[in-house]
Amino acid sequence: DTGVSQNPRHKITKRGQNVTFRCDPISEHNRLYWYRQTLGQGPEFLTYFQNEAQLEKSRLLSDRFSAERPKGSFSTLEIQRTEQGDSAMYLCASSLGLGSPDTQYFGPGTRLTVL
Amino acid sequence: AQKITQTQPGMFVQEKEAVTLDCTYDTSDQSYGLFWYKQPSSGEMIFLIYQGSYDEQNATEGRYSLNFQKARKSANLVISASQLGDSAMYFCAMMGSSNTGKLIFGQGTTLQVKP
Repeated sequence: DTGVSQNPRHKITKRGQNVTFRCDPISEHNRLYWYRQTLGQGPEFLTYFQNEAQLEKSRLLSDRFSAERPKGSFSTLEIQRTEQGDSAMYLCASSLGLGSPDTQYFGPGTRLTVL
Repeated sequence: AQKITQTQPGMFVQEKEAVTLDCTYDTSDQSYGLFWYKQPSSGEMIFLIYQGSYDEQNATEGRYSLNFQKARKSANLVISASQLGDSAMYFCAMMGSSNTGKLIFGQGTTLQVKP
């Protein structure tokens, strides 16, 4: 049983460029979450999906950010017109979406650096 | 609003000794869950232990136990017999019944285990 995987692990881009990250959840997990973590801080919630439906979006998710989970399996997070303030670790997590607790299991993250 | 507070930015412990990492929380939800995660320098968040608000007994998972004091709104993590591999960042997080799907994290505590 493989865990949550994220690609790429590191991304360096220039300000103004678009970037896309991919997350593959644990198989059979119905829920998929995106978080952002800046240096020295705890992760902050961005959005989450139940199957292919996006159920909640944080106010942190500006119009430049879009997330999709088209077939209820993998998900992509796209950032358009990147800014230096977007530099952070982007963490993906998944959970069964059933029972209590509905524990979230995290991937290794994608570290974004915007120059 | 829900909030997690971790007041210890950094902690040191001698190998084989026990250590307590503090976590206090604030919520108006009657039903909620508290989680602890470990984040090594590699970046991946590793789930350690969970405590539900209605659980009467403190949770334990191997060398990890959670000292849950509901009236004081605290959920401290106790690591017994510390090992060098326990050196990492530790995050306390909560999820309330009014905000299912969304983990709220504290700022974390860095633990260093000395040989």
